[in-house]
Amino acid sequence: DQQVKQNSPSLSVQEGRISILNCDYTNSMFDYFLWYKKYPAEGPTFLISISSIKDKNEDGRFTVFLNKSAKHLSLHIVPSQPGDSAVYFCAASALVPGANNLFFGTGTRLTVIP
Amino acid sequence: DSGVTQTPKHLITATGQRVTLRCSPRSGDLSVYWYQQSLDQGLQFLIQYYNGEERAKGNILERFSAQQFPDLHSELNLSSLELGDSALYFCASSVGSQEQYFGPGTRLTVT
Repeated sequence: DQQVKQNSPSLSVQEGRISILNCDYTNSMFDYFLWYKKYPAEGPTFLISISSIKDKNEDGRFTVFLNKSAKHLSLHIVPSQPGDSAVYFCAASALVPGANNLFFGTGTRLTVIP
Repeated sequence: DSGVTQTPKHLITATGQRVTLRCSPRSGDLSVYWYQQSLDQGLQFLIQYYNGEERAKGNILERFSAQQFPDLHSELNLSSLELGDSALYFCASSVGSQEQYFGPGTRLTVT
């Protein structure tokens, strides 16, 4: 069963505008959430994370929002740049000492149009 | 560059064969994770090792096995290969925090 879901397989945004990528999860034991960016022929690259004790984390143009009651998180990219075009994966983990494997969504392909 | 290396980059083999994928974690990272990404799918967790010991197991088939050596590199062994095993296999490492750093992957094609 897919415990982390990204229901939008693709998203197109104009350069300079905001990109909003969404992610839902079902497992209430998840307490740490991450976003990874993936270019073709490369491994996923860590982008930003958030702990369940927070509802927002910001790093430059990237902000992640967490709504625990809705089991929903989103990644905002402002302003979007053509270099942001990639597949974005949402991931989640439960804090188990020594065993923190990640559960991934199926990804959203973001295209930023110049 | 994440600091995680994987070899080989590509592997083509026939059904029924056995292959070994290799991963070297980032310097200082004790945990190694293996993930499988099939076409248009998310990454599926296979197995985790921490300092040589198996720590967590995901949806790993019995035909697959892994180990982590004293120098912390890891190998994923896939045997009796089937067409459905064709996928990207990623290795990731971490020092203990929850951010995992991924290698470039090995693309396995079973014909």
